[in-house]
Order: sequence, then structure tokens, then C-alpha cells
Amino acid sequence: QVQLVESGGGLVKPGGSLRLSCAVSGFTFSDYDMSWIRQAPGKGLEWLSYITHSVITTYYADSVKGRFTVSRDNAKNSLFLQMNSLRAEDTAVYYCARVEYDAPGDYWGQGTLVTVSS
Amino acid sequence: QSALTQPASVSGSPGQSITISCTGSSSDVGGYNYVSWYQQHPGKAPKLMIYDVNNRPSGVSNRFSGSKSGNTASLTISGLQPEDEAGYYCSSYTSRSTFVFGTGTKVTVL
Repeated sequence: QVQLVESGGGLVKPGGSLRLSCAVSGFTFSDYDMSWIRQAPGKGLEWLSYITHSVITTYYADSVKGRFTVSRDNAKNSLFLQMNSLRAEDTAVYYCARVEYDAPGDYWGQGTLVTVSS
Repeated sequence: QSALTQPASVSGSPGQSITISCTGSSSDVGGYNYVSWYQQHPGKAPKLMIYDVNNRPSGVSNRFSGSKSGNTASLTISGLQPEDEAGYYCSSYTSRSTFVFGTGTKVTVL
């Protein structure tokens, strides 16, 4: 079955960096665009970024453009999110999701918590 | 990109129908038939319920339906059941080749 598993979250100081990973299985990873989406504690969903399956084009929300970089390794069925210059407002659960049906995610991971605090 | 506007809360009794609105602009909801809806229970990942305005993924109950008129999309839940109590989010593709989510609606089953 389709599985997405995020890792790499944790506590980081303001201005610091973190790299999230998303390991996928159960589908042909290289056939699908992939998204990153986050949810701050008690808040709504915020779409952050997506990367196309083979052309390797990337798109970002204004809130993270220039600070976050999405990448993928199709050989290792893995998606990544490099997060730099982190701020307190980046504290959230970060989800990876498979883009399908013109929607930002039909299958989602369980999420990984990133806390930005001194 | 501003979040799409949803009512903060909607409630209904078991068996009733409720409708959640999602208002955007001509650059997102009004410009594309790429509106999707998600259900999220507390502590869980969101679940896709509707895509392309009015299509249901396999396994989603036909009590859930979607529609769109101009810059506003809607999700209707018919025959409301206790397990429908959750948060609901709309999403749309945008003219900037990005996605945007709605502000979210908490559905309460009375």
C-alpha cells in the first residue's frame, strides 16, 4: 500500500537549518509530483511547495520562497525539504503528500514536528 | 497568496445536510476547476474527499459532494453522521502554478 514517512523534525533555534525527508513506498515515485504542506499548532493547513516528477520544476509559497528548497531523489524514492533561516512562525507539523487529481495531496504522511525556539 | 475564505464553524444534527463555502478569486477558485476538499480529524493527516470540484476518490462516501459557482466552491455533506465531525479544508490551484488552502471549517454534529 501507499506509504509516506517523514523524518528529520525536531527543535532548532531561530536562524538555524533543518532538512526534512520523506520516504515513500507503494507507488512509482518518479511518476508523481510531490508537495510539502505544514500546519502550525491549532491552525490551518498551509501549502509550501511542490516539485514535478521529472522535469524537476519547483514552486514555493511566498512565505518560504528563498529560505526553503525542495528536492527529490527518484532512485531512492525520497523527497526532501531543506529549511534555512528558520523563524518561530515556522513551528508546525510538516507533511509530505503525493500530488494527484490536480490536488496538492491524495496520500499524506503522518507528519513531522518542527519547533523553532531559543 | 491569501488563504481562501471558509466559515469557521458549521453544525448540524445527524441526518441533516450541511454546506461549507470556500471563497477565493478569479486567480484561483474562479479560474480553474481544480478545487479539492480535505477532511481532518484531530491528530490525523488530512484525507482527500473531493477533487476537481465535484469528483470523489475511490472509497469516499457519496454523502460528500462538491460544486462551484464563480469564485466560490462548496462542499455538501448529506445525511450527517457523528464520524463527519472534523475539520474541513478546501484547496485550489492558482494562476501562479501554486496551491492555496482555505482557512478551515470545524464541523460539529449536534
